[in-house]
Amino acid sequence: AQTVTQSQPEMSVQEAETVTLSCTYDTSESDYYLFWYKQPPSRQMILVIRQEAYKQQNATENRFSVNFQKAAKSFSLKISDSQLGDAAMYFCAYRSDSNSGYALNFGKGTSLLVTP
Amino acid sequence: EAEVAQSPRYKITEKSQAVAFWCDPISGHATLYWYRQILGQGPELLVQFQDESVVDDSQLPKDRFSAERLKGVDSTLKIQPAELGDSAMYLCASSLLAGVRTGELFFGEGSRLTVL
Repeated sequence: AQTVTQSQPEMSVQEAETVTLSCTYDTSESDYYLFWYKQPPSRQMILVIRQEAYKQQNATENRFSVNFQKAAKSFSLKISDSQLGDAAMYFCAYRSDSNSGYALNFGKGTSLLVTP
Repeated sequence: EAEVAQSPRYKITEKSQAVAFWCDPISGHATLYWYRQILGQGPELLVQFQDESVVDDSQLPKDRFSAERLKGVDSTLKIQPAELGDSAMYLCASSLLAGVRTGELFFGEGSRLTVL
């Protein structure tokens, strides 16, 4: 099974500043998808951004962007102009494109604190 | 906006008792997932359904856990008997169709189980 590693259990950022959350993964596949999900306290998990492995261009969604390094198997999330509402658990997830299940395989998460 | 519905939100039970969780996915979503999220960890897949069929239940502890999706719509996850180690958040997610390139999973708010 593919392993997803988030080495930062907790990160802190000041409002309006930029923060980068790290994620590495282990796979022997060439086609796959990577995701960042946000889980606010006591609320459901929502998709932040996704990246198809066959695309070289890094995905961006407003203040959220990724740095996808396929050879290094690295997939970091950059949050620009951080807002108080960005405080949450962030999970990196991997999805195979070659098996019948297509379920997401999650990392252990990074807790992001945003200070005023 | 359509959401994945789960109930109950919170359940406290004594060990050896039976518990059940219910999930109603977004209308039209063929794929349904049950994940278990232990505090401080990322979600781990328990079972995946495609319509009414089980696609993957390799991580489901079948001696005590069971899951069904009889009509291919809503689903029930049961634990009997509950053990202390089952205390966790049980997340339900759905997607339009497994393997679709977008691959986005939509999550419910979860059912938090405490076993005493």
